[in-house]
Amino acid sequence: NAGVTQTPKFQVLKTGQSMTLQCAQDMNHEYMSWYRQDPGMGLRLIHYSVGAGITDQGEVPNGYNVSRSTTEDFPLRLLSAAPSQTSVYFCASSRHGGYNEQFFGPGTRLTVL
Amino acid sequence: AQKVTQAQTEISVVEKEDVTLDCVYETRDTTYYLFWYKQPPSGELVFLIRRNSFDEQNEISGRYSWNFQKSTSSFNFTITASQVVDSAVYFCALSEAGGTSYGKLTFGQGTILTVHP
Repeated sequence: NAGVTQTPKFQVLKTGQSMTLQCAQDMNHEYMSWYRQDPGMGLRLIHYSVGAGITDQGEVPNGYNVSRSTTEDFPLRLLSAAPSQTSVYFCASSRHGGYNEQFFGPGTRLTVL
Repeated sequence: AQKVTQAQTEISVVEKEDVTLDCVYETRDTTYYLFWYKQPPSGELVFLIRRNSFDEQNEISGRYSWNFQKSTSSFNFTITASQVVDSAVYFCALSEAGGTSYGKLTFGQGTILTVHP
């Protein structure tokens, strides 16, 4: 059981470039989400999905797109990177229901120059 | 909207001291869930505990204990006899049960705990 995996671990982009952060889980979890972590602000929800084909916006969705074509994968796309998107990104998954603990991936550290 | 506040940005203690991390939350839901996560220097997020809004029993797990008080909307975390390995960032988080908030975690800002030998 690999749990939640994220690639890449580190990435440097130039302003205006696009890229996709990959996230996969092998626990057959219905719920998946993306957070960004910035100093002094905790983790903030970007987008989430309650199942394949269903996604919705979180607290800070601007500049990001997601899709969920399979239960296992939940990629996060940066459309046109900006320095304000420099952050650490975490993907998480859980069984459905607010009661269930979320399992987090190891994170992707993104720097936008 | 839900909100979680961890008023202590940083705490520094010497090994074997007891330390309490405060967490205050706001929610309009009557059913909700509270969590604590630990983020050690390696960066991963580790689940510590979950508590639902109907269960106000305190919990103890080894050196860790949690005090949940609905009357003050608080869910505080105490480490007894702290150790250097407890040095980490600790996050309190809230999840509401229903509607459009389903499953979405709202995190506090985090408390950086440093335990000195």
